[in-house]
Amino acid sequence: QVQLQESGPGLVKPSQSLSLTCTVSNGSISSGDYYWSWVRQSPGKGLEWIGYIYYSGNSFYDSSLRSRVIISLDTSNNQFSLRMRSVTAADTAVYYCARGEWAIDVWGKGTTVTVSS
Amino acid sequence: QVVLTQSPSASASLGASVKLTCTLSSGHYNYAIAWHQQQPEKGPRYLMKLDSDGSQVKADGIPDRFSGSTSGAERYLIISSLQSEDEADYYCQTWGTGVVFGGGTKLTVL
Repeated sequence: QVQLQESGPGLVKPSQSLSLTCTVSNGSISSGDYYWSWVRQSPGKGLEWIGYIYYSGNSFYDSSLRSRVIISLDTSNNQFSLRMRSVTAADTAVYYCARGEWAIDVWGKGTTVTVSS
Repeated sequence: QVVLTQSPSASASLGASVKLTCTLSSGHYNYAIAWHQQQPEKGPRYLMKLDSDGSQVKADGIPDRFSGSTSGAERYLIISSLQSEDEADYYCQTWGTGVVFGGGTKLTVL
């Protein structure tokens, strides 16, 4: 079974950049069938899609975050990454990586990121 | 852009059945959706895909107590023989210009 594992700093200072990596195991990130997404969940809130990247390297982002986010692919390490710049307290959330064709069918366990000085 | 609407909360008794609803916005009634479960303090778990014709594909290991059905704009998740561990948030999800989530329904098992 494909498994996803998020990693990255748990604490980021306001105005700085957040960087997270998702490591894919038991499957290839280069498979042409899937989109690789980042989703976040602020405390007490619902799921918010951030964006996805396709195996070709094409990416697409939610319009509200597009100006601050980049998702990239590292096929040699079977990983994909999220970089979000100029973070504020509103970016404090649990960040999940996920896989799907159109429906997400595999989720990572999530990693908590707190934005605070 | 497609919008998914869910009631914020639902409740049902232990051992009973419950039907959770996800409503597609106008003009998108032919969309398939997926259902995800999020138990307290855990990450989401994919449950099933549900198409506009009612056909469904469940994830491995999902009990038969979980099923889906469709009627027009509505996509349902039906949970029978409710157990305490079914108390969770349930999200529907589809695909528009990217991934789209409903707001989620918090299910309380009484």
